[in-house]
Amino acid sequence: QQPVQSPQAVILREGEDAVINCSSSKALYSVHWYRQKHGEAPVFLMILLKGGEQKGHEKISASFNEKKQQSSLYLTASQLSYSGTYFCGTESGSGGSNYKLTFGKGTLLTVNP
Amino acid sequence: NAGVMQNPRHLVRRRGQEARLRCSPMKGHSHVYWYRQLPEEGLKFMVYLQKENIIDESGMPKERFSAEFPKEGPSILRIQQVVRGDSAAYFCASSPTPVRTQYFGPGTRLLVL
Repeated sequence: QQPVQSPQAVILREGEDAVINCSSSKALYSVHWYRQKHGEAPVFLMILLKGGEQKGHEKISASFNEKKQQSSLYLTASQLSYSGTYFCGTESGSGGSNYKLTFGKGTLLTVNP
Repeated sequence: NAGVMQNPRHLVRRRGQEARLRCSPMKGHSHVYWYRQLPEEGLKFMVYLQKENIIDESGMPKERFSAEFPKEGPSILRIQQVVRGDSAAYFCASSPTPVRTQYFGPGTRLLVL
């Protein structure tokens, strides 16, 4: 079952914050976040494993609530380079087999000057 | 360290022809995954291969599609007798083990006329 991402699209001004959500109807073992710019390969941002761990990378961080089967990606003080489509990929089950990622439809983020 | 390589980047075929898509994983990665992406959609898992073995092809159409990852050379996704509905971007990803992050190539955009 495909995870549901929200919002579908968001427009920001440089410096503003955004939150992108990813919800699944299945119990999750891990959540993977990628950013894809038009015509390019998806670029790995971070992976969150079962345990509610929050991870961060500069001004981009994420949380994973396994009970709610949700993950959120937080972008703070957005930069023009953050523009792109953000995908969450989920791994269900007991883990150890994350080859089978199921991706959401993506959230299009546009950062304007 | 070169990333995942895919070629061709763009491929145009007429209905009924064959399409061959190639993927060279990152150095040291022996696990390859193929995904298909339709416009405005997320990535959909097709097949997971290790060297000379197909591990999981549950996402691949039963007919006309096949994949291989020979001992030497790139992984090949082959689509026989292409139809217009096969038009999509095909991405491959690789990882050093099946439980590590997947790194994506730039994709092959297939257009069937």
